[in-house]
Amino acid sequence: DAGVTQSPTHLIKTRGQQVTLRCSPKSGHDTVSWYQQALGQGPQFIFQYYEEEERQRGNFPDRFSGHQFPNYSSELNVNALLLGDSALYLCASSPTTRYNEQFFGPGTRLTVL
Amino acid sequence: SQQGEEDPQALSIQEGENATMNCSYKTSINNLQWYRQNSGRGLVHLILIRSNEREKHSGRLRVTLDTSKKSSSLLITASRAADTASYFCATDVWEHGGATNKLIFGTGTLLAVQP
Repeated sequence: DAGVTQSPTHLIKTRGQQVTLRCSPKSGHDTVSWYQQALGQGPQFIFQYYEEEERQRGNFPDRFSGHQFPNYSSELNVNALLLGDSALYLCASSPTTRYNEQFFGPGTRLTVL
Repeated sequence: SQQGEEDPQALSIQEGENATMNCSYKTSINNLQWYRQNSGRGLVHLILIRSNEREKHSGRLRVTLDTSKKSSSLLITASRAADTASYFCATDVWEHGGATNKLIFGTGTLLAVQP
């Protein structure tokens, strides 16, 4: 049983560009959450998707958007990249009935130059 | 913003010793969880304690929760070099009379276990 997978592993972009990160949840999980982790900090909640809709959102600007597909996989899009967007982006999945049990993927390391 | 803070920021011990790290949080919670992270990669869930529980054990891990002080502690007994990692507490926040689905993480404790 595959766990949560994320792609790509690493990504380098320049300021002003747009980026799309991808996440496949653990089998049987229908809820996907995204987190941003800056170097030396704890992860910060970006948003959560369930039934292809955004259910919860953290304190992030509209440049951060997402999508969930019918197979429960998800994408995180960031527009107009800033240097401060450089971080590890973590995806977590959970089943609706036990949403506390969040399983995290290995993350995507985004560097903005 | 971070929900809380962890103390100490960094801890270095010898193999076989016990490691204790503390977490404080700010608002009402539904539950509190501890995660481990190796070398800036994915987070591994260690243990969950509910707001109506005071202590929980899992293998070499012991977690306590004091909701009156809004604090929790994680004790790792008989530490091993493989326990070297960053440890984060995370709270599932209670808002507007209901549980939310978002985890709010602390700032983390970097534990180094020397062989």
